[in-house]
Amino acid sequence: GQSLEQPSEVTAVEGAIVQINCTYQTSGFYGLSWYQQHDGGAPTFLSYNALDGLEETGRFSSFLSRSDSYGYLLLQELQMKDSASYFCAVSLIGGYSTLTFGKGTMLLVSP
Amino acid sequence: DAGVIQSPRHEVTEMGQEVTLRCKPISGHNSLFWYRQTMMRGLELLIYFNNNVPIDDSGMPEDRFSAKMPNASFSTLKIQPSEPRDSAVYFCASRSSGSTGGELFFGEGSRLTVL
Repeated sequence: GQSLEQPSEVTAVEGAIVQINCTYQTSGFYGLSWYQQHDGGAPTFLSYNALDGLEETGRFSSFLSRSDSYGYLLLQELQMKDSASYFCAVSLIGGYSTLTFGKGTMLLVSP
Repeated sequence: DAGVIQSPRHEVTEMGQEVTLRCKPISGHNSLFWYRQTMMRGLELLIYFNNNVPIDDSGMPEDRFSAKMPNASFSTLKIQPSEPRDSAVYFCASRSSGSTGGELFFGEGSRLTVL
């Protein structure tokens, strides 16, 4: 099976930078995704890494190290609206690949 | 373009009753997923369809749960009989075969409360 570990909660202030870490244990790893969820609403896709390195999308960046089974989501210039839960998820090698999600990290952004 | 559409958004029922949750995936998407979310267990995959065929149902908790996808634009998740421990938010998600491996499109979810 697969297991993912991420912190349960992170707090930060507006304008700051925050990093949410994710470590995973799985066989047949293919890629790591990040999702955002506000107040139990629909999870929305943020980013995906299949190769080592940094992917940047606006204020959000995601990093993957396959050798360390580790990734992180970096949020810059934090805004109040970034307060949400953030989930990492692994996908596996294979044509019919599903996503296995971590338990999520609740980010609280204060003024 | 409409996103993934789920109904009902909220359902309150009594133990022992049958519950049917419905999902319309994004047009053109050929993969459909049912997930369940609870505080204790997070987001769990229940079942995955590809081209209307169930591929992986190992996450379906027990025989009380069943899912169907009679055509490319409709899927149901049925719980019969329902129990209080089934209370959760049930999400449907879809994916196009042409998308990146990690991108699923989720519906707003069906919040189920079993009394």
